[in-house]
Amino acid sequence: QVQLVQSGSELEKPGASVKVSCKASGYTFNTYAMNWVRQAPGQGLEWMGWINTNTGNPTYAQAFTGRFVFSLDTSVSTAYLQINSLKAEDTAMYYCARSPSVGAPHDYWGQGTLVTVSS
Amino acid sequence: EIVLTQSPGTLSLSPGERATLSCRASQSVSSSYLAWYQQKPGQAPRLLIYAASRRDTGIADRFSGSGSGTDFTLTISRLEPEDSAVYYCQQYVSHLRTFGQGTKVEIK
Repeated sequence: QVQLVQSGSELEKPGASVKVSCKASGYTFNTYAMNWVRQAPGQGLEWMGWINTNTGNPTYAQAFTGRFVFSLDTSVSTAYLQINSLKAEDTAMYYCARSPSVGAPHDYWGQGTLVTVSS
Repeated sequence: EIVLTQSPGTLSLSPGERATLSCRASQSVSSSYLAWYQQKPGQAPRLLIYAASRRDTGIADRFSGSGSGTDFTLTISRLEPEDSAVYYCQQYVSHLRTFGQGTKVEIK
């Protein structure tokens, strides 16, 4: 069965970097795009962008350009989200979610990774 | 960027009642590219409806979607206690997707 399993919670200091992983199983990794979605505490969902799992080409929503980096390791069917120069406002749950193509919804989601930024 | 505005913010209804949730887009969205998700506390979102009106696999038939252009609706025909959740619409017509801000459904 399809599964997206994310890495565990992270506690980081402001200015540090963090890398969240999303390991896919149960399907052919490079036939689905991988998206990232942020949810701040008590807030709604924000689509951060997606990465083409064939080419590795990322697309970022406007609010997530600069400090946010999507990457892949196709040998282990894993997508990564790295956040650099962490700020307190980056404290949130981060989800990976696959989509069959650019014009398709997110049919499977990871369980989420909580990133807490605090001094 | 296409902005999605959901209303109402919160809906408080009794079991067996009908819930009607609205999602309005700032510009026309092809109905092929509008989805609804359900998120319960402490859980990841779950796809309910895609292409505006198609239920995802395993979704109960009391959930239905409709609409076109800029106005879309999610209807829950007979509320059950387990339908207590936040519901989000999402457009995926453009390569930059957006979510609505969510509607919280409370069961009395």
